[in-house]
Amino acid sequence: GDSVTQMEGPVTLSEEAFLTINCTYTATGYPSLFWYVQYPGEGLQLLLKATKADDKGSNKGFEATYRKETTSFHLEKGSVQVSDSAVYFCALIRNTGGFKTIFGAGTRLFVKA
Amino acid sequence: DAGVIQSPRHEVTEMGQEVTLRCKPISGHNSLFWYRQTMMRGLELLIYFNNNVPIDDSGMPEDRFSAKMPNASFSTLKIQPSEPRDSAVYFCASSSWAGGQETQYFGPGTRLLVL
Repeated sequence: GDSVTQMEGPVTLSEEAFLTINCTYTATGYPSLFWYVQYPGEGLQLLLKATKADDKGSNKGFEATYRKETTSFHLEKGSVQVSDSAVYFCALIRNTGGFKTIFGAGTRLFVKA
Repeated sequence: DAGVIQSPRHEVTEMGQEVTLRCKPISGHNSLFWYRQTMMRGLELLIYFNNNVPIDDSGMPEDRFSAKMPNASFSTLKIQPSEPRDSAVYFCASSSWAGGQETQYFGPGTRLLVL
């Protein structure tokens, strides 16, 4: 069945460090892939998305590339800030052979000043 | 623009009581989703509607849970009777459904505690 696997957290980085959060998926057909961010006490906010193979989503310095050959959608940022501390969720949505929306378990990021 | 609105933001109730959660989707969106978030199970889709019609409720845990969408701007999720294991954060999300793989926009959630 469909699934999303994220690297376990928490991830602790110093300010200005490079960030990678790994995400791999299994799915029927060609899903759309998403990264959402959740700050304490809030809902999930869309960070970026990609809808087909080799697409790169980007927003606020974050990037992720839809890699069909490795079924991955890793999140990267070149220089993190304290304000990036949050929980990050990788997700897929597909509507081939039936509708499915699957979220990863989330990866908590702490950025130290 | 107003996002997805949920109420109440926090609910504390006693076991056996009825709980009703409310959601107003983004204006113009034609799909609405209810999710439950817990530490143990993460984020789970409970039910979704297209054009006010429930399409898939296979994620609803038990008959104690029910959801309605009487019009395009309002939906409810009801738990009756509530149990302590229902304690979770419940999110509503909406999207503008075209092919079914569109972005979902989330509300702030309702944090439910059943004592």
